Amino acid sequence: ETGVTQTPRHLVMGMTNKKSLKCEQHLGHNAMYWYKQSAKKPLELMFVYSLEERVENNSVPSRFSPECPNSSHLFLHLHTLQPEDSALYLCASSQDFNSYGYTFGSGTRLTVV
Amino acid sequence: AQSVTQPDIHITVSEGASLELRCNYSYGATPYLFWYVQSPGQGLQLLLKYFSGDTLVQGIKGFEAEFKRSQSSFNLRKPSVHWSDAAEYFCAVGGSQGNLIFGKGTKLSVKP
Repeated sequence: ETGVTQTPRHLVMGMTNKKSLKCEQHLGHNAMYWYKQSAKKPLELMFVYSLEERVENNSVPSRFSPECPNSSHLFLHLHTLQPEDSALYLCASSQDFNSYGYTFGSGTRLTVV
Repeated sequence: AQSVTQPDIHITVSEGASLELRCNYSYGATPYLFWYVQSPGQGLQLLLKYFSGDTLVQGIKGFEAEFKRSQSSFNLRKPSVHWSDAAEYFCAVGGSQGNLIFGKGTKLSVKP
């Protein structure tokens, strides 16, 4: 039990589909993150939320839409994705923004066909 | 700009042998440094971190790392590798915007 749970573990979707990734943390942390992990590339920070407010958006295409309804839940809504969006999407949380002590979930392996 | 370089993409060591994984960083101020491990199909687990103080840091699973400011390095070591240590290892530096900046990772294979 890592304290950060991601669902689903695997997702296959067509380019015209709409789907959502879910992340839930049970650690009482105030900051949550979405990272994208592609083969042979460093982990890319996508979004950061601190106390349910977005504080970072690293020029991510609008086909990725995050939502943080409360400090325990984080979603990543996906629509009209491209095959190059296939990757492992990792959620992480930390006590506070800038505290760096990340706890990661196991990730969602996304395949876009 | 802050960055992390892990020069070795893939390393193979024999079980029981010593291990050193290299990490170099680029950061203007005193860095916060981290090593994470990722097993196949899993998320990242924190092995150890350096914020300040003693430059030799002990972590979980028998790992240690040494911060060398003059070399901008934070190499990970283990005196005797076990087959269960086979995984991918990521070095990271705390960025100025509160995020972690990761290297590309080093995949470790362990020979029996």
